[in-house]
Amino acid sequence: GQQVMQIPQYQHVQEGEDFTTYCNSSTTLSNIQWYKQRPGGHPVFLIQLVKSGEVKKQKRLTFQFGEAKKNSSLHITATQTTDVGTYFCAGLENSGGYQKVTFGTGTKLQVIP
Amino acid sequence: DTEVTQTPKHLVMGMTNKKSLKCEQHMGHRAMYWYKQKAKKPPELMFVYSYEKLSINESVPSRFSPECPNSSLLNLHLHALQPEDSALYLCASSQEGAYNEQFFGPGTRLTVL
Repeated sequence: GQQVMQIPQYQHVQEGEDFTTYCNSSTTLSNIQWYKQRPGGHPVFLIQLVKSGEVKKQKRLTFQFGEAKKNSSLHITATQTTDVGTYFCAGLENSGGYQKVTFGTGTKLQVIP
Repeated sequence: DTEVTQTPKHLVMGMTNKKSLKCEQHMGHRAMYWYKQKAKKPPELMFVYSYEKLSINESVPSRFSPECPNSSLLNLHLHALQPEDSALYLCASSQEGAYNEQFFGPGTRLTVL
């Protein structure tokens, strides 16, 4: 079945430093979504990428979808303590006419003030 | 109302008990999902309902039985669970399919003794 891996597994950064997490799928994806889960919380949708090579920005967050639609990245510029949490990519693929979602392994971000 | 609610928040049950988890949304979403999340792991898709019909069952053991009584409600009936089934059970909904943003509920923390 589809596997979606993320690296790194953990990242500690000083506040103000940049952060990047990388997402790689074993299969070609139709779309990719990114979610953030705060400690003790539930996943919250950040963004969806659909087109090959697509780049989207949300304030300090930049999301990219690879040309082959098998990888993606999330880059945070100048991290803040509010960025703490686990970032998951979620790969979508068609399965018997329905869309199946597979979450990546996640990257846990710690921001040191 | 952009909220998905889940009850109960916490549940402790024995291996011979029968219990149910409940999920509700009033956003008019037509797709609803059950996920299982173990500690420090990503959410794993269990079931997807689309227009109140079961569209995806990720080979989940029959001791988990989903039910979608109407477009706003999703239940997960539990029977003869094992201690390894202890996890956070997350419900989510989206407008139609997974190509739309998924809204997650806060989850039910389940412990099986």
